Amino acid sequence: EIVLTQSPATLSLSPGERATLSCGASRNIRSSLLAWYQQKPGLAPRLLIFDTSSRATGIPERFSGSGSGTDFTLTINRLAPEDCAVYYCQLYGTSLPATFGGGTKVEIK
Amino acid sequence: EVQLVQSGAEVKKPGESLKISCAASGYNFISHWIAWVRQMPGKGLEWMGVIFPGDSDTRYSPSFRGRVTFSVDKSISTAYLQWNSLKASDTAMYYCARSAIAHRRVWSDPWGQGTLVTVSS
Repeated sequence: EIVLTQSPATLSLSPGERATLSCGASRNIRSSLLAWYQQKPGLAPRLLIFDTSSRATGIPERFSGSGSGTDFTLTINRLAPEDCAVYYCQLYGTSLPATFGGGTKVEIK
Repeated sequence: EVQLVQSGAEVKKPGESLKISCAASGYNFISHWIAWVRQMPGKGLEWMGVIFPGDSDTRYSPSFRGRVTFSVDKSISTAYLQWNSLKASDTAMYYCARSAIAHRRVWSDPWGQGTLVTVSS
């Protein structure tokens, strides 16, 4: 089973700054198998990024994904107050289970 | 519009059984895998497994195999998550989510709104 480790656990930034969230895999994974989700308090998770770098419908261009092998990144440019949330990476595909990372909480100062 | 609507919150006692539902609309229900995800209070997301409504092919995470059962009713485009004997540790929010591409286990989109299950004596 592949383990996904997210860092940092919490990120506290000011509006307008750039947030860089990391997701590390315990062994190499195909780039086409990683997604990112945003979960705001009291709400269900929402898809942000699939296949490492493709934005889901309606997601602002401020959100971007990158990475390969064992290291993947979600970048949020020009951080806005509405970006306060917990962000999860997920491995999917035929290799089960479809693991989630532990999450990174983004706080706006 | 693709939508998953889950059943309402439940309060149960340890040892009781429970079946919660996830009603799908806006797409061909039998063609997309449905995942179940647990979120314990204040914790992260845990993938429980998936079911393919077309033939009820089911894959459970090792952590949940034997503790829960997935099923579907194709006639009403609804997926179910069932427990035979609840424990206090089953207290959590449970989400269903659709695999975004037909016939493939890929990213989940959309998600249901969640069903809160509370197990307490």
